[in-house]
Amino acid sequence: GAVVSQHPSWVICKSGTSVKIECRSLDFQATTMFWYRQFPKQSLMLMATSNEGSKATYEQGVEKDKFLINHASLTLSTLTVTSAHPEDSSFYICSATPFSETDYGYTFGSGTRLTVV
Amino acid sequence: GDSVTQMEGPVTLSEEAFLTINCTYTATGYPSLFWYVQYPGEGLQLLLKATKADDKGSNKGFEATYRKETTSFHLEKGSVQVSDSAVYFCALSPMDSSYKLIFGSGTRLLVRP
Repeated sequence: GAVVSQHPSWVICKSGTSVKIECRSLDFQATTMFWYRQFPKQSLMLMATSNEGSKATYEQGVEKDKFLINHASLTLSTLTVTSAHPEDSSFYICSATPFSETDYGYTFGSGTRLTVV
Repeated sequence: GDSVTQMEGPVTLSEEAFLTINCTYTATGYPSLFWYVQYPGEGLQLLLKATKADDKGSNKGFEATYRKETTSFHLEKGSVQVSDSAVYFCALSPMDSSYKLIFGSGTRLLVRP
């Protein structure tokens, strides 16, 4: 089945530093990946759509300069949280879909818990 | 815009009880509908899905039927287990080609022995 690997699973960083999170599709190609943010005990909020070979599409209210997305290959998208601050602490989850006519579903990574101290 | 509304939790049940988690949606046309489950500290796992009206998705004893007339996709299980304790998210994917997922707020289920 389709597998999405996300790394790291957790990270602690100092305020002002940058953190990179990787999202890989292991057994399929994903021209589109999605990045979500989840606050404690809340639902997932779509942050941006990552498109292979082109600029990401950000949702309203998401700072593109703070959350840099790079989708350089068909199997890898990265999210970099720049100049992180404690309010950026959250659970970040990526997803991708091996879309076909008969299989219309999304596979999620296991998530990355970011804590900024 | 498109949206998903879920019943608020937490839902607390005894083992072997019947489970229903309500989900209704607002969308144009015929979106695809999903239930995802999230265990503590983990990402989301697809539980079941339905892509057209009257379809029934099922997996691991869970079922949900796509009801266009009531714009609902309620999740049911006849006999829950302690291992079913998790957060359940209802979601839809709009008819356009963006492949986005719009999630409900999630419902926490706690099953006691």
